[in-house]
Amino acid sequence: KAGVTQTPRYLIKTRGQQVTLSCSPISGHRSVSWYQQTPGQGLQFLFEYFSETQRNKGNFPGRFSGRQFSNSRSEMNVSTLELGDSALYLCASSLQGAAFFGQGTRLTVV
Amino acid sequence: GIQVEQSPPDLILQEGANSTLRCNFSDSVNNLQWFHQNPWGQLINLFYIPSGTKQNGRLSATTVATERYSLLYISSSQTTDSGVYFCAVDLGGYALNFGKGTSLLVTP
Repeated sequence: KAGVTQTPRYLIKTRGQQVTLSCSPISGHRSVSWYQQTPGQGLQFLFEYFSETQRNKGNFPGRFSGRQFSNSRSEMNVSTLELGDSALYLCASSLQGAAFFGQGTRLTVV
Repeated sequence: GIQVEQSPPDLILQEGANSTLRCNFSDSVNNLQWFHQNPWGQLINLFYIPSGTKQNGRLSATTVATERYSLLYISSSQTTDSGVYFCAVDLGGYALNFGKGTSLLVTP
């Protein structure tokens, strides 16, 4: 079985731009969660989607949004990028609780 | 949400040594997992262990749910065990709340 695939792996954006990150879960997994990892704040939960519905949301501003498609693939979008959005964004797919992570997208905002 | 505290924050071992990493949590959990993050940033799921004991090769984990802690044991450590070990508990659904991690360096 293929693992969790995140694209792109690296991204450099300018302040004020927007960005879309993609996550393809393990086949058969209906839950996709997104996390932001920074040196200062550690790993923080962004949101979780299950069968195309947002089931949980973390404490992030409305500039962070996401969606899940009928094939369980998920995208997250960050609008009006700020320097502080520079981070490693990790996606996880879950089946019956255990989470499996992709390799992440490293976003740098300049 | 449930608070997660990991100790120690940093650990340096010589190859071949054993170690125990601890995770304390503030309330009862339905979901507790241990992860290893390698130097390239990939998070690897080690154990899904809301209670009981599991073993996988040189690694084992025990969660005592009634006392709100979990332990990760690493035996005969190797340099490839270096990285950061995270404990995570449920936030609702399958969302996870992560501890700050234990940074492990295994030297030759």
